[in-house]
Amino acid sequence: DAKTTQPTSMDCAEGRAANLPCNHSTISGNEYVYWYRQIHSQGPQYIIHGLKNNETNEMASLIITEDRKSSTLILPHATLRDTAVYYCIVRGNFNKFYFGSGTKLNVKP
Amino acid sequence: DGGITQSPKYLFRKEGQNVTLSCEQNLNHDAMYWYRQDPGQGLRLIYYSQIVNDFQKGDIAEGYSVSREKKESFPLTVTSAQKNPTAFYLCATSVGPNTEAFFGQGTRLTVV
Repeated sequence: DAKTTQPTSMDCAEGRAANLPCNHSTISGNEYVYWYRQIHSQGPQYIIHGLKNNETNEMASLIITEDRKSSTLILPHATLRDTAVYYCIVRGNFNKFYFGSGTKLNVKP
Repeated sequence: DGGITQSPKYLFRKEGQNVTLSCEQNLNHDAMYWYRQDPGQGLRLIYYSQIVNDFQKGDIAEGYSVSREKKESFPLTVTSAQKNPTAFYLCATSVGPNTEAFFGQGTRLTVV
């Protein structure tokens, strides 16, 4: 499975869009990009996933570059409750989600 | 109430004792996973199971054992061979290939 690189931490003002980048330069053709977030001492929460096309749901948007080597998770209007660690995961094999260290997003009033 | 149930939420054991962590799901998912998380770090895969009576080692299986006798249940035993068992343990399930995984709320194990 491809590995991912994310910034260690990011700040965002409340009400503004949060754009979280992820590099996955070794991704292969059948590997999906997943995003999860984890609030302290809880289980990770699924946000969104995609293969090639951009995706949007009620929580966020996922923008994947044409060469699929990077992606961006967009939280359109960040709130204080969005403060969490965000994990970008590339998953190919059926069974394995590999979690890196993630990005700590701090949403500030 | 549907979902994944991990019990207990907090668990304390003495060093040298085996301990079993419970994971039950009523989502009818085929795949189940166990992860370990240490402070400030991401999740690491311990074991996973695609189907009943089958399971595979993940990246850090040493000192752990699992069973998958029923689709709903995937218990994890932390044995005395695990050198540093104190951690946050997370169970997850998924329907099948290229679908998201759903996580339980975790069990925090402390070995003293």
